[in-house]
Amino acid sequence: ELKVEQNPLFLSMQEGKNYTIYCNYSTTSDRLYWYRQDPGKSLESLFVLLSNGAVKQEGRLMASLDTKARLSTLHITAAVHDLSATYFCAVAPYNTDKLIFGTGTRLQVFP
Amino acid sequence: GAGVSQTPSNKVTEKGKYVELRCDPISGHTALYWYRQSLGQGPEFLIYFQGTGAADDSGLPNDRFFAVRPEGSVSTLKIQRTERGDSAVYLCASGTGSYEQYFGPGTRLTVT
Repeated sequence: ELKVEQNPLFLSMQEGKNYTIYCNYSTTSDRLYWYRQDPGKSLESLFVLLSNGAVKQEGRLMASLDTKARLSTLHITAAVHDLSATYFCAVAPYNTDKLIFGTGTRLQVFP
Repeated sequence: GAGVSQTPSNKVTEKGKYVELRCDPISGHTALYWYRQSLGQGPEFLIYFQGTGAADDSGLPNDRFFAVRPEGSVSTLKIQRTERGDSAVYLCASGTGSYEQYFGPGTRLTVT
């Protein structure tokens, strides 16, 4: 059974601190996605990682992909309150277009 | 430009009733996806269309669920004999068929 696991599931962090969210998956994949979801809202695309070693950065967020380890990370630098949301990783199994989502990491940034 | 739109935004129905949920994709997008998200969970894949045909319906939970996309644009997700366990947010996404999926705001379905 294909599994996508994120940890931690909940993260409470102080403004200005750094932290990393981990996403492990159990199948061969050529695409890894990170989405953000605010309460009661839909999913906002953050990053799409398409190859081994891919690294993308946007503002205080940086995502990377290691396809050999089946691991992606989302690194948060100098967190600010506006980053408070739930973050999902999702994997497209090889040769399919459906996305398999992790359970999400709920991030809360406090002053 | 306009994003993915879904109607209704909220739907409350009684157990056993039939419901239809509508998705309008981004203009020109050939791929359309349906997911559902239960409270506190990640979205779960239901079905994917490429054009008018269902390319992958492996996520539909049972034969009470059916989706159509007759003209390759708007799609309707149909649920027969609704059950309380069907309560969730139903999300639609569209894309060009490459790799991006753009999500709509969702329809919150509550079965009482």
